[in-house]
Amino acid sequence: GAGVSQSPSNKVTEKGKDVELRCDPISGHTALYWYRQSLGQGLEFLIYFQGNSAPDKSGLPSDRFSAERTGGSVSTLTIQRTQQEDSAVYLCASKQRGSSYEQYFGPGTRLTVT
Amino acid sequence: RKEVEQDPGPFNVPEGATVAFNCTYSNSASQSFFWYRQDCRKEPKLLMSVYSSGNEDGRFTAQLNRASQYISLLIRDSKLSDSATYLCVVNIAGGSYIPTFGRGTSLIVHP
Repeated sequence: GAGVSQSPSNKVTEKGKDVELRCDPISGHTALYWYRQSLGQGLEFLIYFQGNSAPDKSGLPSDRFSAERTGGSVSTLTIQRTQQEDSAVYLCASKQRGSSYEQYFGPGTRLTVT
Repeated sequence: RKEVEQDPGPFNVPEGATVAFNCTYSNSASQSFFWYRQDCRKEPKLLMSVYSSGNEDGRFTAQLNRASQYISLLIRDSKLSDSATYLCVVNIAGGSYIPTFGRGTSLIVHP
């Protein structure tokens, strides 16, 4: 079946511009996560959505970062006034509800801020 | 102390070798455990879940030691294609179900 998809796969933007990154989770997965991974580093948790509950935004690094999940499916991560330190791969993952289930990751969006 | 700790490596082994990684976790409420594999510039992919009784999938064996709070991954007869970063993931019962990832262990298998 279809996996998690993300778009765009690559994004180059100028410092100060806003960007939107999109994630389509696996159908039926109620949980959706955004992570950031800088070159050679581990995964940095950003935000978590579970069904219709309020999202856990505890990992967002600044108020320039925000995310929405419409209709419990597609999610958009928005970064306003991008900075060079925002350059990273942004990964989205989805899973079924419950701690015994594993996450499935999308291929990521590679963001480069020039 | 970090919630999930892994030796970053790299572990540099010859083809055919047996190699083992450990991952320690600090939260005793941890309920489920996974090993993921991440190839260079790719997304993490599930390698195997870790069950209380231990489990084996071909050349890969995963074990859980709740008393000492660690999980392990054993790779037998290493192949060049096993070269990757191996991530340990821990889910904690209750709470917000945010899996905790280790930083990963790098494995390099050479001819």
